[in-house]
Amino acid sequence: QKEVEQNSGPLSVPEGAIASLNCTYSDRVSQSFFWYRQYSGKSPELIMSIYSNGDKEDGRFTAQLNKASQYVSLLIRDSQPSDSATYLCAVSGSYIPTFGRGTSLIVHP
Amino acid sequence: EADIYQTPRYLVIGTGKKITLECSQTMGHDKMYWYQQDPGMELHLIHYSYGVNSTEKGDLSSESTVSRIRTEHFPLTLESARPSHTSQYLCASSESFTAGTEAFFGQGTRLTVV
Repeated sequence: QKEVEQNSGPLSVPEGAIASLNCTYSDRVSQSFFWYRQYSGKSPELIMSIYSNGDKEDGRFTAQLNKASQYVSLLIRDSQPSDSATYLCAVSGSYIPTFGRGTSLIVHP
Repeated sequence: EADIYQTPRYLVIGTGKKITLECSQTMGHDKMYWYQQDPGMELHLIHYSYGVNSTEKGDLSSESTVSRIRTEHFPLTLESARPSHTSQYLCASSESFTAGTEAFFGQGTRLTVV
């Protein structure tokens, strides 16, 4: 059974801080890794994808991948209240992406 | 901006009715998926398709059925709706020529069966 594990949270950070979201996966042949943001009652929205070890930065977001440790993370710098949402980690080694349960992030003013 | 559309957005229907949830994408994606998600809960894959005339059941057992007659269209049908079918249904699509490309989601259909 392929698994993607995330701490459900909630993770609470003050406005302007760095939020760190973590994800581990069990399938060693996984090739592609994604972070989605989902606001309450809305559908998931892709915010980052990463395919190779290391860091990938896009604006305030940085995705980090370590395939040896089977670990992927998302850092959100200068967190804003509008970043409050559930963040889903998704992993794909075949054609079917597997989603984690998501981590709830709360950014308080 | 992903071009994947679901209709209706909201549906309230009586027990025993037959319903079809529509999903269409204009990106030419071969792979399409249906997920079911209860409020505050995780996504569950209920059906997927690799392309025209391909349909497979997902991880979560579902009484729904799907069809894929055209690349852009992947409707989901419930022959006899029950209150246990009340949930949000999310359709997604992705390209197929490389493994593991990102999936794009439609806006979802929130179904309530009374």
